[in-house]
Amino acid sequence: QVHLQESGPGLVKPSETLSLTCSVSGYSISSGHYWVWIRQSPGKGLEWIGMKYLSGNSYYNPSLKSRVTISGDSSKNQVSLRLTSVTAADTAEYFCARSQGAASLGVFDIWGQGTVAIVSA
Amino acid sequence: DIQMTQSPSSLSASLGDRVTITCQASQDISQSLNWYQKRPGKAPKLLIFHSSILQTGVPSRFSGSGSGTDFTLTISSLQPEDIATYYCQQSGDFPLTFGGGSKVEIK
Repeated sequence: QVHLQESGPGLVKPSETLSLTCSVSGYSISSGHYWVWIRQSPGKGLEWIGMKYLSGNSYYNPSLKSRVTISGDSSKNQVSLRLTSVTAADTAEYFCARSQGAASLGVFDIWGQGTVAIVSA
Repeated sequence: DIQMTQSPSSLSASLGDRVTITCQASQDISQSLNWYQKRPGKAPKLLIFHSSILQTGVPSRFSGSGSGTDFTLTISSLQPEDIATYYCQQSGDFPLTFGGGSKVEIK
């Protein structure tokens, strides 16, 4: 059974970098699939941040592209999100997810429970 | 970006009722439309993909339909465990975008 678990610092200061980790169990992140980050700001809907195929392409939301990097560590079976120069607008619950497959790139079949990141001085 | 508009934003229904949620895309996305369920404190769950294909393990009381710009999620008989917020999402073009959500409550 595939399980995703997000983790992060919880609190980040404005202008600093937010770093989140998604630990994957029950499936090797090197075996295929895109790995995805999505967030939900308080009182708002879901926002797709971006996705990465470990040995290949990545796609990012243009609204965040200049500040976002998604990477993977196959030795730890983890996927990471780095978001630079954060502001209060980046306060959100962050989810990692797995893309269903090559033919269903934008379908997210497994999600983590999410981790909250608050940007505040 | 493709804008996804869901309605209603919230609804209250009785157990056993038929519940319908609609999702409209700002441009033609063919059948590239997915539905997710989000319960408080739980991971979001994929219910339906490609407009009408039921994800493995999802109860058959859930169904989806539509193509082009107009889509529907139907719960044929509302159960207590269906209390959640439902989101549509288009996978037809980048950036991938979600609807604002439809919160389902028990009357």
